[in-house]
Formats: sequence, C-alpha cells, structure tokens
Amino acid sequence: EVQLVQSGAEVKKPGESLKISCKGSGYSFTSYWIGWVRQMPGKGLEWMGIIYPGDSDTRYSPSFQGQVTISADKSISTAYLQWSSLKASDTAMYYCARSGQDSGFDYWGQGTLVTVSS
Amino acid sequence: SYELTQPPSVSVSPGQTARITCSGDALPKQYAYWYQQKPGQAPVLVIYKDSERPSGIPERFSGSSSGTTVTLTISGVQAEDEADYYCLSADSSGTSLFGGGTKLTVL
Repeated sequence: EVQLVQSGAEVKKPGESLKISCKGSGYSFTSYWIGWVRQMPGKGLEWMGIIYPGDSDTRYSPSFQGQVTISADKSISTAYLQWSSLKASDTAMYYCARSGQDSGFDYWGQGTLVTVSS
Repeated sequence: SYELTQPPSVSVSPGQTARITCSGDALPKQYAYWYQQKPGQAPVLVIYKDSERPSGIPERFSGSSSGTTVTLTISGVQAEDEADYYCLSADSSGTSLFGGGTKLTVL
C-alpha cells in the first residue's frame, strides 16, 4: 500500500527555521517525484516545487524559489521542505504528494499544519 | 505569468450534470489533472491525463479537452460530490500550477 506520512503540526515564531518531512512507503521512493503543495487558511492549492529522489533533480515554482528548500534522503525514503526564516505569512497546511510520469499527484500525505505567530 | 482559470463556483441540483472548466494557453500541449478536496481532507485525484479515471473513482466523473480548455464533468451529481475542485497542469518551464479552484454546491 502506497503511503506518504508527514511530520506533525508545528508552532513557530517569526524568524525561526523549520524542516518538515514526508516519508514514503509501499513503492520505489527513487522512481517517483515528490511535490509540495501549500494551502493557506481558506484558500486554494499552490504548487510549490518538486524533487526526484533518484537524482535530486529539483524544480521550484517562481513564487517559492528562494523562499523554501526542498530536499530528499533516499536512504530513508523521506522528502523535506524547509524554511530558514519563517514569516507569519507561511502559516498554512503543507501537503506532500507523489507524482509519476503523467500520473499527476496520485497519492497525498495527510498534511502538516504550520503556524507562525509571535 | 501563466495562469489556469476556473470559475469560482458552480451549483447544481442532485441528479443533474455539473461541468467545471479550466482554461490555460498551454493546455493543448500539457495534460490536465483534476482534484477533489472536501473540508479538512487532503485532495484526491479524480481525473488524470485529461480524461483518465483512477481506479476507485466513480464512473460519473469524466474529463475532456478542447483547445485551451479542459472540462471536468460530473454526471448525476450526488450530495457527496459537494467539494472544491482544482485543475493542475504544467507550464513550458517544467513546473506546474493549480487553477484557483471551483466550489461545487449541490442544491
């Protein structure tokens, strides 16, 4: 069974750093892309970026380039999304999702709620 | 910058047909994907590659493409189909984006 399990909710202060995770199981982790999607409170889905754990090829939406870093550790089948300095506007639900060749995001994690507040 | 445009809302009565459109200049060259999201839940893929239906998705969900517009059609809408629907597609630079989302209301 394909599963993506994300790390738990986080409450942080502005300026703090954060790294959230997404662990894949039930499939070949290095053969599929893993993407990250932001959903701000009451708003729509935003495509942030994607990584291919097999060779670490990474692509970012222009809106998120330079704002976050996407990485992966294929030895533990885990992808990451990290911030070096959080802002209140980073408060959102973040989803990871698996993407195959022309399959779209076919499996999703349960989401990680990040709250940034002073 | 590239955009995918969806109507903010669509309303239909139970048993009727709902059509949700998504427009974008690159859609003739890129596949579109459709996602259903209910409150408090992660999105679910309902259509991939413009018109393919994943296993487990009811047959009343279908997709089509014509020029710069793709359409998600839900035939015989049921109350449980009330949700937000998003299209997803790629641009020419190797990145992707979602449409703004459409709230489907079942009257």
